Amino acid sequence: EPEVTQTPSHQVTQMGQEVILRCVPISNHLYFYWYRQILGQKVEFLVSFYNNEISEKSEIFDDQFSVERPDGSNFTLKIRSTKLEDSAMYFCASSVQAGGEQFFGPGTRLTVL
Amino acid sequence: GESVGLHLPTLSVQEGDNSIINCAYSNSASDYFIWYKQESGKGPQFIIDIRSNMDKRQGQRVTVLLNKTVKHLSLQIAATQPGDSAVYFCAERDDTLTFGKGTMLLVSP
Repeated sequence: EPEVTQTPSHQVTQMGQEVILRCVPISNHLYFYWYRQILGQKVEFLVSFYNNEISEKSEIFDDQFSVERPDGSNFTLKIRSTKLEDSAMYFCASSVQAGGEQFFGPGTRLTVL
Repeated sequence: GESVGLHLPTLSVQEGDNSIINCAYSNSASDYFIWYKQESGKGPQFIIDIRSNMDKRQGQRVTVLLNKTVKHLSLQIAATQPGDSAVYFCAERDDTLTFGKGTMLLVSP
């Protein structure tokens, strides 16, 4: 069964460093999403992406964040200068159509020291 | 009810019992609702969804009830099994998905 994959599973970085979180969405999906979940908190929407453009973004997704689909399979989330409060699980998701069922990856745990 | 920080509401049941998990949503413009299951160390997994023009939808061992009048959603799991132990949360969709904080379901053998 096709699934969304994410790498790495755990990323440890120093405050102020740039990190890139990688996702491979399901191959025939056209809509891509990033969410984050701070430990013990609810899952929060960050950004949605379609046709090489951001469709929606939340207040969390500020200028420190960017997304890219560098090739036909990868979807990345970059945090330019990490802060302690960026420590969280980051989930990628994809869907066939807008508003359709979103399939989530296993997440990347980002720890900022 | 809602919890803050690391504390999630917890529902403890015995194997074979029926479980009911509740969720209150806030946006009356939301037209689509989903229940997700999240096991430790994994991403959210779709369980069942319901559109706002329905008040009940059944799946395999799961039923979702929607009460738009009071903005309340519930998930019923029949014959709960130890493998159902996880955090369950609802999500509502307007333009984007907004998730609730979740309820931890603990199923004892």
